[in-house]
Amino acid sequence: AAGVIQSPRHLIKEKRETATLKCYPIPRHDTVYWYQQGPGQDPQFLISFYEKMQSDKGSIPDRFSAQQFSDYHSELNMSSLELGDSALYFCASSRHTGTSSYEQYFGPGTRLTVT
Amino acid sequence: AQTVTQSQPEMSVQEAETVTLSCTYDTSESDYYLFWYKQPPSRQMILVIRQEAYKQQNATENRFSVNFQKAAKSFSLKISDSQLGDAAMYFCAYRSFDQGGSEKLVFGKGMKLTVNP
Repeated sequence: AAGVIQSPRHLIKEKRETATLKCYPIPRHDTVYWYQQGPGQDPQFLISFYEKMQSDKGSIPDRFSAQQFSDYHSELNMSSLELGDSALYFCASSRHTGTSSYEQYFGPGTRLTVT
Repeated sequence: AQTVTQSQPEMSVQEAETVTLSCTYDTSESDYYLFWYKQPPSRQMILVIRQEAYKQQNATENRFSVNFQKAAKSFSLKISDSQLGDAAMYFCAYRSFDQGGSEKLVFGKGMKLTVNP
């Protein structure tokens, strides 16, 4: 079965640079979620999109922005990178049925290292 | 705001034995979902099992089962016949059920499970 695709899988950037992470949800999934997992930490919710509209926002820095496109893929743009942004970034997708969505399926993550 | 607590940072079990991972949560909502995710060394987040709060029957998936105690806000995971491949970090997670609530997952701090041969 098709899974969530994230690219790139690994990314190395220097401080103050910009990074763009991409997420391709499971086919027919209409909701995308972004999470950040620091070393030894649990995943923290950043932002989500449903039908190309932002549906929820968590602890996402103002330096970060995201959007969902007409083909449902999503991009997380990160500017003025800081050392503390080094983390594993997960994208997850789900499909709304009725009034609520169900399980979130995670991609393999993008490991971002800021030097 | 909802919180999820996993009080045991690490546990170990012998291969073929049974182990129970504990999780408690705090919420004022009456309907919600609870999940257990597994994160092996590859760091992939794998959904193990889910429980709808409105269902009294405990969820089961092969060797994995839960003990859901809604009044006590407890959601433990039992792994039977433990296998070496079960070694991983296990995260308990909460999600609101209602459309008006956030659908984000709120995770516990995780628990590292070691399986000894």
